[in-house]
Amino acid sequence: GAVVSQHPSRVICKSGTSVKIECRSLDFQATTMFWYRQFPKQSLMLMATSNEGSKATYEQGVEKDKFLINHASLTLSTLTVTSAHPEDSSFYICSAQRGSSYNEQFFGPGTRLTVL
Amino acid sequence: TQLLEQSPQFLSIQEGENLTVYCNSSSVFSSLQWYRQEPGEGPVLLVTVVTGGEVKKLKRLTFQFGDARKDSSLHITAAQTGDTGLYLCAGATGRRALTFGSGTRLQVQP
Repeated sequence: GAVVSQHPSRVICKSGTSVKIECRSLDFQATTMFWYRQFPKQSLMLMATSNEGSKATYEQGVEKDKFLINHASLTLSTLTVTSAHPEDSSFYICSAQRGSSYNEQFFGPGTRLTVL
Repeated sequence: TQLLEQSPQFLSIQEGENLTVYCNSSSVFSSLQWYRQEPGEGPVLLVTVVTGGEVKKLKRLTFQFGDARKDSSLHITAAQTGDTGLYLCAGATGRRALTFGSGTRLQVQP
């Protein structure tokens, strides 16, 4: 159990377009999901915390109008990178929290975004 | 701001050798988790430690949580090439999101 999927796994887009990334918890309900960004050979950087039915909480320095997060159901959160630019190219990873404890976070396989 | 420092940042060893990775903070955590991540994939949870002084073993991997719950270590015995990857520690505090360590990149040579 505790499987989290992400779609797409890889996306290449032109500068100025918007890209939507989906994160799904397949066998459990997740009231809280997290979105991370990871640069090559670096650790994960938390971008935002997404709670079902409410607005996401963004970390300092992350533009909420640039990275739109929607947590419409207990099994789905989406991250939309609006008007993407080459500097947005990165590995985006989501995680879903099972239960009320931060101890149990399960990660998706990640999405590689390349903006040309 | 909570910080988790991992050391070493990079480690290259021969198959069969032992190694220890450290995760240190000045903050107290209610629990600490270790993950392994392979290139192009998401992190995979290895273990969660919650009690100060706790030791958990997962085959050749031994995890220890410091008595004060501020630090942790991961020891690998007789490393194998399949152990290659990025090892991340992450601390949990109350209802705040996980704080990830800076990561240790392990390369095990055949």
